[in-house]
Amino acid sequence: AQTVTQSQPEMSVQEAETVTLSCTYDTSESNYYLFWYKQPPSRQMILVIRQEAYKQQNATENRFSVNFQKAAKSFSLKISDSQLGDTAMYFCAFMIPAGNMLTFGGGTRLMVKP
Amino acid sequence: KAGVTQTPRYLIKTRGQQVTLSCSPISGHRSVSWYQQTPGQGLQFLFEYFSETQRNKGNFPGRFSGRQFSNSRSEMNVSTLELGDSALYLCASSLGNLQGQETQYFGPGTRLLVL
Repeated sequence: AQTVTQSQPEMSVQEAETVTLSCTYDTSESNYYLFWYKQPPSRQMILVIRQEAYKQQNATENRFSVNFQKAAKSFSLKISDSQLGDTAMYFCAFMIPAGNMLTFGGGTRLMVKP
Repeated sequence: KAGVTQTPRYLIKTRGQQVTLSCSPISGHRSVSWYQQTPGQGLQFLFEYFSETQRNKGNFPGRFSGRQFSNSRSEMNVSTLELGDSALYLCASSLGNLQGQETQYFGPGTRLLVL
């Protein structure tokens, strides 16, 4: 079974600064996908970024990038130039290709302060 | 493309009743997955349907069931409601072909309160 751990329950950052959210996971699989989802107060779960384990290059999406360390089973999310709209719960999630189901971490509540 | 839609958005039921939630996936998506989100247990996978068949199932009691129709719309049913079933129920859709492009897109959720 896979497990996903987010060790930071809450974080805060000043607007325009950079923040990094941590995620570690445990699996015996060699091929898998990792995701970061954002859940703002509206509760709509929004995909932020996706990473395939077989790709060595770290995924980026505008101000969002990941640091994927496969050997360490670490998948952190960096948010650059933080904006007030980034305030949300952030969930790290894991999926194996053969099973279309996500395993989520406990989430990190991020507050962006003006 | 329209996103994933879920109805109703809010529900209040009493213990012992049953409830049916509905989810319409993104056009072209054939897989629908359901998740339960609670403050205590976080996000937990309930089940996944693909081409009208349950393909994956989480660790929930038999009171939780679902089905999928030929147009890929899915319903989730909870019978004999318990207080602990109060939660946000999230539906997610994806292509479902398991060919390396699977990404799940979520609906806005149905908030269920059991009194």
